[in-house]
Amino acid sequence: GAGVSQSPRYKVAKRGQDVALRCDPISGHVSLFWYQQALGQGPEFLTYFQNEAQLDKSGLPSDRFFAERPEGSVSTLKIQRTQQEDSAVYLCASSASAGTAYGYTFGSGTRLTVV
Amino acid sequence: SQQGEEDPQALSIQEGENATMNCSYKTSINNLQWYRQNSGRGLVHLILIRSNEREKHSGRLRVTLDTSKKSSSLLITASRAADTASYFCATDASGSRLTFGEGTQLTVNP
Repeated sequence: GAGVSQSPRYKVAKRGQDVALRCDPISGHVSLFWYQQALGQGPEFLTYFQNEAQLDKSGLPSDRFFAERPEGSVSTLKIQRTQQEDSAVYLCASSASAGTAYGYTFGSGTRLTVV
Repeated sequence: SQQGEEDPQALSIQEGENATMNCSYKTSINNLQWYRQNSGRGLVHLILIRSNEREKHSGRLRVTLDTSKKSSSLLITASRAADTASYFCATDASGSRLTFGEGTQLTVNP
């Protein structure tokens, strides 16, 4: 596609519910990144995929967070047993090159509200 | 954790004026990137400057990098109302992640 697509655009979850956030990167992009952005803050790194390999997951805040990219294209970020502190915008980005040597293309994000 | 710190946190100027935003960081970097974010939207990549570069231009944007002071500045010349957005610097120190600052909110008044 022409850009990075994320769905859903908005998600309201009850505390304790599991959620799954989807990212469709630009076709052929090797690198895929997930970031979490709290209100009024800059994005915080969660995880990085190069093709289907998850090379860095050190930013995932707890074992309730899980990300996958099984075929090296679409990625899903799953949050189990959501908590109020998980409320944030989750941003996906992709890049044609490996790593961070070039700029990313970001999606518009999924705004998660846990009530 | 945030490595970069932008200064000022907020900036309000008139259309046609220049806007300067600064970014400081703490560790050695491979490159530094600037992004723009309009309210409720994703980030848009503006410009990347590598650690061995000192200045870079792209249209109305000028970025400088001083690795000895661990600082960068973004200059937007002849600003327009459409430039109103949050601007973030992001540093690449690891090759696998960018570390973003907290951003500068720029308002350009028509």
